[in-house]
Amino acid sequence: DVVMTQSPLSLPVTLGQPASISCRSSQSLVHSDGNTYLNWFQQRPGQSPRRLIYKVSIRDSGVPDRFSGSGSGTDFTLKISRVEAEDVGVYYCMQGTQWAYTFGQGTKLEIK
Amino acid sequence: EVQLVESGGGLVQPGGSLRLSCAASGFTFSSYWIHWVRQAPGKGLVWVSRIRGDGGSTLYADSVKGRSTISRDNAKNTVYLEMNSLTADDTAVYYCARDFMGSIPDWGQGTLVTVSS
Repeated sequence: DVVMTQSPLSLPVTLGQPASISCRSSQSLVHSDGNTYLNWFQQRPGQSPRRLIYKVSIRDSGVPDRFSGSGSGTDFTLKISRVEAEDVGVYYCMQGTQWAYTFGQGTKLEIK
Repeated sequence: EVQLVESGGGLVQPGGSLRLSCAASGFTFSSYWIHWVRQAPGKGLVWVSRIRGDGGSTLYADSVKGRSTISRDNAKNTVYLEMNSLTADDTAVYYCARDFMGSIPDWGQGTLVTVSS
C-alpha cells in the first residue's frame, strides 16, 4: 500500500496568517492514465470529512479560493492563504491512484 | 443532491457480529463504487473496503480481510458491510462514501460501532 505522510501533525496559526501542510507519498501518485489522484479533505469537529481539493489542485465547488493545492510525483502541499476561524479542524491528504486508497495521519489546525 | 445514510451501528460484544447499511440517493447508484472508511475515537481516517457498482469486485483492508463482507443491493440502492469476530480495535465511526475517479466527493454522516463487554 502507498504510505501517506503528513507534516506537521499539529498546526497552530494566527488568524489572518497563512498555513501550509505537506503530504508525501511512498511512491509516485502519477497514474497510468497521466492523472495524479491526490486529494485533500477537511474535517471540522463533529462533522464528516469534506473534500476540498482533488487531482492535486482542483478546488471543489464552494471551497474558498484561499485554499490551494500544489505538488507532483510524491510531494504535495495544501496552503491556506489567510486562516479564518472556520478553518479549524483536521486536514487529511488521500491518494486515489492505487487501490487501496490511503490517507495521511491528519494535521490538526488550531487558532493560536 | 447526493445523500448517503449509514445505519446499523451500536454496542456489540467482543467476538460479535454486525451489519452496517448505507442507503444512497441522488445519483445513479449502480454506476459508482462505494467505500467504507472508519475513524476510531480521536484518530484518523482509515479506508476499510470498497465495492464496484455491479458488485462484481470487492477489496478489503488487511485489518478486516477474512472477517468482513461488503455487498450491495442495487434494487434498494444500499451497500452493506458485515463484520465478524469484532474486537475493541473495530470501535469506530464507519462512513460510507461514494467514489468518483480516484477520489471520494461524497460522505455519509457515519454510524458509531462500539465493541465492548
